Amino acid sequence: GNSVTQMEGPVTLSEEAFLTINCTYTATGYPSLFWYVQYPGEGLQLLLKATKADDKGSNKGFEATYRKETTSFHLEKGSVQVSDSAVYFCALSDRAGANNLFFGTGTRLTVIP
Amino acid sequence: EPEVTQTPSHQVTQMGQEVILRCVPISNHLYFYWYRQILGQKVEFLVSFYNNEISEKSEIFDDQFSVERPDGSNFTLKIRSTKLEDSAMYFCASSERQGNSPLHFGNGTRLTVT
Repeated sequence: GNSVTQMEGPVTLSEEAFLTINCTYTATGYPSLFWYVQYPGEGLQLLLKATKADDKGSNKGFEATYRKETTSFHLEKGSVQVSDSAVYFCALSDRAGANNLFFGTGTRLTVIP
Repeated sequence: EPEVTQTPSHQVTQMGQEVILRCVPISNHLYFYWYRQILGQKVEFLVSFYNNEISEKSEIFDDQFSVERPDGSNFTLKIRSTKLEDSAMYFCASSERQGNSPLHFGNGTRLTVT
């Protein structure tokens, strides 16, 4: 079946620290992979995505590389800011053209000044 | 920027009661979705809706659930006889099309069944 496992939170970092949030997946076929972010009081927003192996998605300083050999899509940012404090969700869609997403549990990140 | 709006933000209801969760998708979007997240668990797909009918649904979306687009702007999720385990955050989403078209989510409605 399809599932996503992501790093348990919460994660607390100081400003300018390096961030990694781990995400691994199980899927049939060739999934597309996503990171969504939910800022306080808001809905989930697409942060970045990758649709095939070795693709790198990037946005707002965040990056994630689709690693088929390790079935992973870890989220990284070199220097976090207070404004990055949010809940981050890893997700996959198991079919081209499908919007039925399988999400992880979410990882809450708090960045302190 | 256009956004998906959901009302109410928090709904409290008694077990066995019917609830209707409301969503206004982005106006030019054609595909609509409901997801839910039970506290501490994963965000789970419930149903997708296109052209006035359900296009896909999960095992969670049983006979107690229904969706409707009663007019040109609203998209509703009805839970006929709520159970304690229906307590969750319910997210509505819409997309312009299928495929490589991002989902736009609302802020969610927190449903508490007592």
